[in-house]
Amino acid sequence: DMKVTQMPRYLIKRMGENVLLECGQDMSHETMYWYRQDPGLGLQLIYISYDVDSNSEGDIPKGYRVSRKKREHFSLILDSAKTNQTSVYFCASSWGTTNTEVFFGKGTRLTVV
Amino acid sequence: SQWGEENLQALSIQEGEDVTMNCSYKTYTTVVHWYRQDSGRGPALIILIRSNEREKRSGRLRATLDTSSQSSSLSITAAQCEDTAVYFCATPSSGSWQLIFGSGTQLTVMP
Repeated sequence: DMKVTQMPRYLIKRMGENVLLECGQDMSHETMYWYRQDPGLGLQLIYISYDVDSNSEGDIPKGYRVSRKKREHFSLILDSAKTNQTSVYFCASSWGTTNTEVFFGKGTRLTVV
Repeated sequence: SQWGEENLQALSIQEGEDVTMNCSYKTYTTVVHWYRQDSGRGPALIILIRSNEREKRSGRLRATLDTSSQSSSLSITAAQCEDTAVYFCATPSSGSWQLIFGSGTQLTVMP
């Protein structure tokens, strides 16, 4: 079963706390992504990972960092969370480039208070 | 139509009607993705159309691609209530590593 799994699904954090969002995929995809989606807007790319320890910034990397130590896992870290990082975060994966299907997880709704 | 920094567009139709959503993209591409996002879920691919196809069908869905005008469309025939969702077009950036999403169309199909 081809799946991208995100944990947790819902998270409430206080401003200044550290946040860890986890993502796993069971398709051995090389490429993984972290997007955020704000109400009424499309998806904005935060980071892209081409493989283990091979990560690049997307359009909005400020305030975020990522870690990919195994091909099937990709983590998003918010050091000292801010209220403007309240959003829905989606992890995704694909075979190589984006000329093929990109598979998305169900998302993590993060609220920073 | 959707692209760039435009906010989410809303479209409301009656069940049984046909509907077409348009998408314009900025950089040359040979493939356009169409995704559907249901409330509370991640986007899911519904059609991927390549430049050598010009038109692609999947059930009641039909996508077209015109590389000369850098535009694509997604049509739904005889829409059903369960077609209610947000529909995004997306194209690879130059280098093909990043998928760039349009702003999306919120389609509501009313009974």
